[in-house]
Amino acid sequence: GESVGLHLPTLSVQEGDNSIINCAYSNSASDYFIWYKQESGKGPQFIIDIRSNMDKRQGQRVTVLLNKTVKHLSLQIAATQPGDSAVYFCAENIRGGGNKLTFGTGTQLKVEL
Amino acid sequence: GAVVSQHPSRVICKSGTSVKIECRSLDFQATTMFWYRQFPKKSLMLMATSNEGSKATYEQGVEKDKFLINHASLTLSTLTVTSAHPEDSSFYICSASLGRGSFSYNEQFFGPGTRLTVL
Repeated sequence: GESVGLHLPTLSVQEGDNSIINCAYSNSASDYFIWYKQESGKGPQFIIDIRSNMDKRQGQRVTVLLNKTVKHLSLQIAATQPGDSAVYFCAENIRGGGNKLTFGTGTQLKVEL
Repeated sequence: GAVVSQHPSRVICKSGTSVKIECRSLDFQATTMFWYRQFPKKSLMLMATSNEGSKATYEQGVEKDKFLINHASLTLSTLTVTSAHPEDSSFYICSASLGRGSFSYNEQFFGPGTRLTVL
């Protein structure tokens, strides 16, 4: 079946460094992508989104890149802080699929002091 | 704005009992609510989609008689885990959205989750 997946289950970075979290998807009908941050014992928190007609979108300290050719999505966090430690999920919405989201497997980001 | 709450945040119950989890949209009317379950160190798995005033649509492999979903109003959906067993222990998360996404995606706002432990 088609799925959304992540390349790395755990990513450790030094405080102040930039972090890059990757996500692969396989459904060419995916139209909209979202990155979520989830802290332990809490619900997902929206970080940034991107539509399939874009290849880059920037927010505060975060950038999402979309490469539709290879079906790859990445989240870049600039100047990573201890508060960024969490699990990050990408999620996709398929065009015509209603409001359903399919979540990737997640990457644990650990920020070392 | 767009706050979603869940109650309770944690619940422990005995095997064989039923547990009800509430999901409320506090400051908006949610046409659609979603229920997810999440096992430790795993991703969110969609269980069912609930549209106000109609029956929930369950994902493949989810037992509808086991996980009863009611969406009686535009601000409240409930998930009842019937005859709970230890394997039902999980983190249950709901989300709510303003629309059904018929034409384009309508943002889902997530609740804080409910930790269910079945002894």
